Amino acid sequence: GQQLNQSPQSMFIQEGEDVSMNCTSSSIFNTWLWYKQDPGEGPVLLIALYKAGELTSNGRLTAQFGITRKDSFLNISASIPSDVGIYFCAGLSNTGKLIFGQGTTLQVKP
Amino acid sequence: DVKVTQSSRYLVKRTGEKVFLECVQDMDHENMFWYRQDPGLGLRLIYFSYDVKMKEKGDIPEGYSVSREKKERFSLILESASTNQTSMYLCASSFTHASNQPQHFGDGTRLSIL
Repeated sequence: GQQLNQSPQSMFIQEGEDVSMNCTSSSIFNTWLWYKQDPGEGPVLLIALYKAGELTSNGRLTAQFGITRKDSFLNISASIPSDVGIYFCAGLSNTGKLIFGQGTTLQVKP
Repeated sequence: DVKVTQSSRYLVKRTGEKVFLECVQDMDHENMFWYRQDPGLGLRLIYFSYDVKMKEKGDIPEGYSVSREKKERFSLILESASTNQTSMYLCASSFTHASNQPQHFGDGTRLSIL
């Protein structure tokens, strides 16, 4: 099925560094979502974006809904060890189905 | 908080067995979904349901069926389990058909077929 292009595929950073990841699509979405998945767990919703150009923060996380409605990015500031996990972007279609990115695996070195 | 509960975290079954994976949500959500997650393939939609007794095929329905007899419960059925169905299975739910309702996931069931 259709997938979003998410990059980078993986990141290995030092604790305290900022992180940025993004997703692009050939299709327009009305809603963009960012999830985090810890090992052995289900994805947990981090941020939901509903309007083009919207910039939303959740603690050290900031996400933006691109103006074209075909892209989104997620930034994590001052990373800590518990930020480790897989981050997924997802576009929500008008049928309620999610289209997922391939995921960005984040590792943080203390 | 939304609570999506999957009945088993880990399950081991044998080839040819009929396997039931259960999912319950406590937020009166209309929509429920079953995915499988495999390394390198991401999350793939198996089946979903917008209402009681209603089901729609996702991207990879072959070898699976579903049941939604009550609004809060969505069951995934492997009619005759095969080794290529060894995977992490994730259930999700969302409030309505509307396009701005995020899906909330359970903790997953890691199923091994021997």
